[in-house]
Amino acid sequence: SYELTQPLSVSVALGQTARITCGGNNIGSKNVHWYQQKPGQAPVLVIYRDSNRPSGIPERFSGSNSGNTATLTISRAQAGDEADYYCQVWDSSTAVFGGGTKLTVL
Amino acid sequence: EVQLVESGGGLVQPGGSLRLSCAASGFTFSSYEMNWVRQAPGKGLEWVSYISSSGSTIYYADSVKGRFTISRDNAKNSLYLQMNSLRAEDTAVYYCARGKAMVGAFDIWGQGTMVTVSS
Repeated sequence: SYELTQPLSVSVALGQTARITCGGNNIGSKNVHWYQQKPGQAPVLVIYRDSNRPSGIPERFSGSNSGNTATLTISRAQAGDEADYYCQVWDSSTAVFGGGTKLTVL
Repeated sequence: EVQLVESGGGLVQPGGSLRLSCAASGFTFSSYEMNWVRQAPGKGLEWVSYISSSGSTIYYADSVKGRFTISRDNAKNSLYLQMNSLRAEDTAVYYCARGKAMVGAFDIWGQGTMVTVSS
């Protein structure tokens, strides 16, 4: 079965740029989606199809995908960006989530 | 307002059954694929099941195949998950999530309903 690997945690200073990676075999050939989940809340889609932002998501959120790694980039990080982030793809009629990354804004 | 509201969660004994419901509003439910996603306490997201807009195509995670059944009633704008032979490891918050058209992302999520399997 297909697996997605994310770092358990990422820290970023306030106002700096955070990068969260999602590794998978030839993930560059798949559409990658990213979700933000704050404690006690449902996930929110922040990036779809590698690099597209849904309406209402700040331009500070961007994504890329190539080779074996997809990356979610959060520019000018704010305290409100502190959350768990999950990547997701479809493989063989199965949706697969990464294990999640806890983003801490220092 | 586009909204998904789950219900039906609760405490059930191992081996028991439970039926979850998800009521959709604010969009044309019959035009969208739907999914169930769960999250065990303190754990990550796990996809459970998918159903196409018409209900003709259905997929399940291996962990629930043969025990869970997804269905929908487009006339009632509702999605369901029948869960049988429940195990302790099925304990989780269950979310219904709308599939973003032609994309494969989950663009709208409900608030979730808690299922606890314990004796």
